[in-house]
Amino acid sequence: AQRVTQPEKLLSVFKGAPVELKCNYSYSGSPELFWYVQYSRQRLQLLLRHISRESIKGFTADLNKGETSFHLKKPFAQEEDSAMYYCALRNDMRFGAGTRLTVKP
Amino acid sequence: EAQVTQNPRYLITVTGKKLTVTCSQNMNHEYMSWYRQDPGLGLRQIYYSMNVEVTDKGDVPEGYKVSRKEKRNFPLILESPSPNQTSLYFCASAGKEYYEQYFGPGTRLTVT
Repeated sequence: AQRVTQPEKLLSVFKGAPVELKCNYSYSGSPELFWYVQYSRQRLQLLLRHISRESIKGFTADLNKGETSFHLKKPFAQEEDSAMYYCALRNDMRFGAGTRLTVKP
Repeated sequence: EAQVTQNPRYLITVTGKKLTVTCSQNMNHEYMSWYRQDPGLGLRQIYYSMNVEVTDKGDVPEGYKVSRKEKRNFPLILESPSPNQTSLYFCASAGKEYYEQYFGPGTRLTVT
């Protein structure tokens, strides 16, 4: 079955430190992966998608088909990055369990 | 303003009392879906609809019903709510290419 795994429920880093939120997927076809973010008291919203290869708010994510991963990275975390992050597989609209990122001052 | 709306935003009810959570989008999207969000389990899809009169089960459809009579509306119906349906519910919609889902603000349901 297709699935998306985010192994870390909670992740805490200090401001200015690098951050990596892990996402692994299982999909038999050609995967299309997204990262969504949910800031406190805001709606879930799209952060970035692998096909556009863009950097949004300093975050990047590379699809690694060999490792079946789509990890989200940022070299210098900011306090405003604190949020819930979801990895999602567009092909069947499935989401991972989410990682709550806390960036401490 | 392009958006997805849900009503009510908060609801406390008792076991067995039928309820409906409405969802509406003004973006002429074909695709609509319902998710529930529970701590540690993330977002799990309940039902989805590819277009009017086309609905299908997601991962956790038990205890829920949906209908898609109009393109803009996708209500979620709990015929006989139970405490294990206490959760935060999100409606979402996406255009034809399904490249991005737009989410509603969420409905927090408590069933006692």
